[in-house]
Amino acid sequence: AQSVTQLGSHVSVSEGALVLLRCNYSSSVPPYLFWYVQYPNQGLQLLLKYTSAATLVKGINGFEAEFKKSETSFHLTKPSAHMSDAAEYFCAVRRSGGYQKVTFGIGTKLQVIP
Amino acid sequence: DGGITQSPKYLFRKEGQNVTLSCEQNLNHDAMYWYRQDPGQGLRLIYYSQIVNDFQKGDIAEGYSVSREKKESFPLTVTSAQKNPTAFYLCASSIWFAGDEKLFFGSGTQLSVL
Repeated sequence: AQSVTQLGSHVSVSEGALVLLRCNYSSSVPPYLFWYVQYPNQGLQLLLKYTSAATLVKGINGFEAEFKKSETSFHLTKPSAHMSDAAEYFCAVRRSGGYQKVTFGIGTKLQVIP
Repeated sequence: DGGITQSPKYLFRKEGQNVTLSCEQNLNHDAMYWYRQDPGQGLRLIYYSQIVNDFQKGDIAEGYSVSREKKESFPLTVTSAQKNPTAFYLCASSIWFAGDEKLFFGSGTQLSVL
């Protein structure tokens, strides 16, 4: 079975501070890992994905995530938070196959304080 | 302007009533998905369809029904058997590109019970 655990349902950071959103996965085989962002009353938008090509993955809007097999983690970071980063972020894991096999985390709401 | 259109944006259901959520895509994608989103629970798969006239149950199909008579349309009916229908419903479609599947989301429908 595969799953993801997002630590912290709410995270607050000051504008300009480091953003760190945590995600740990469990999967019996090397997984595909994703981070999605959702703005209020909108669908999800892909930020980045890990597909085993490189452990450090760069995404859109200045976000990046590092796959650490030893820690079974795929934390999302951004060096400097902007007000526009306030949204909900979802980590997701998928084994080989289509999206019918994807498991989403419970989400982390990011608040950016001016 | 290509994309996924979900309607209505807000929907209210009376007890014992069936309601249908619309999802239309003009992306020419083969696969389509319905997810349910509850606060603090992430996204859960209700139904998916990989081809016209075929669909499969996801993790929480009870109380829901779908049809896929046309490639561009994948309506979801929330039946009276679904006792807790209040949630945000997301439709998505996907396409395989460069050996990987890419998922695109609609803007969602918020369903509430009167």
